[in-house]
Amino acid sequence: DTAVSQTPKYLVTQMGNDKSIKCEQNLGHDTMYWYKQDSKKFLKIMFSYNNKELIINETVPNRFSPKSPDKAHLNLHINSLELGDSAVYFCASSPRTGFSSYEQYFGPGTRLTVT
Amino acid sequence: RKEVEQDPGPFNVPEGATVAFNCTYSNSASQSFFWYRQDCRKEPKLLMSVYSSGNEDGRFTAQLNRASQYISLLIRDSKLSDSATYLCVGDSGGYNKLIFGAGTRLAVHP
Repeated sequence: DTAVSQTPKYLVTQMGNDKSIKCEQNLGHDTMYWYKQDSKKFLKIMFSYNNKELIINETVPNRFSPKSPDKAHLNLHINSLELGDSAVYFCASSPRTGFSSYEQYFGPGTRLTVT
Repeated sequence: RKEVEQDPGPFNVPEGATVAFNCTYSNSASQSFFWYRQDCRKEPKLLMSVYSSGNEDGRFTAQLNRASQYISLLIRDSKLSDSATYLCVGDSGGYNKLIFGAGTRLAVHP
């Protein structure tokens, strides 16, 4: 029973293409996130949704557009891919309330390579 | 200055050793702190939360010093399976997001 799943696991594509990454969680959590981990392994938040509502939108190029059809799903669409977009993208989820609201559970990651 | 700073390591220790990692944070409004573990080419996984009173989970002990804005993780009796990158994490002080340190790499050898 995978708690947070992402597809695809690997994505190799050319510059200029548009691609999507999908994420689903079966933990019943209200909040979901997208993170980017670059080649230096630094993990940085991109977006956060709570119950389908966008609550965090970091300084991310508008080529990146998240979409949350329901609170169990958060997808990431990337337009006009650039070489610098190559990274590992992690989806995560957390409960909304209480101290444990900050405990986040991560998906296995999507390794994106732009050539 | 990074919001959460850690020594990147690597820390190379023999099995059975005790090793300590330190981390400092710059946002005095941060309230919640965690240690996450990330294995090579895997996702980060929550290792333990860090409480002001300090907390222990088996061989792992975490401490928080709010006055010095300092967090530590102590691993006793290191196992080969402890080899990983340990990420120090704090909340952003009310902005519903976590700030991750760059991680400290631990390599335990026989």
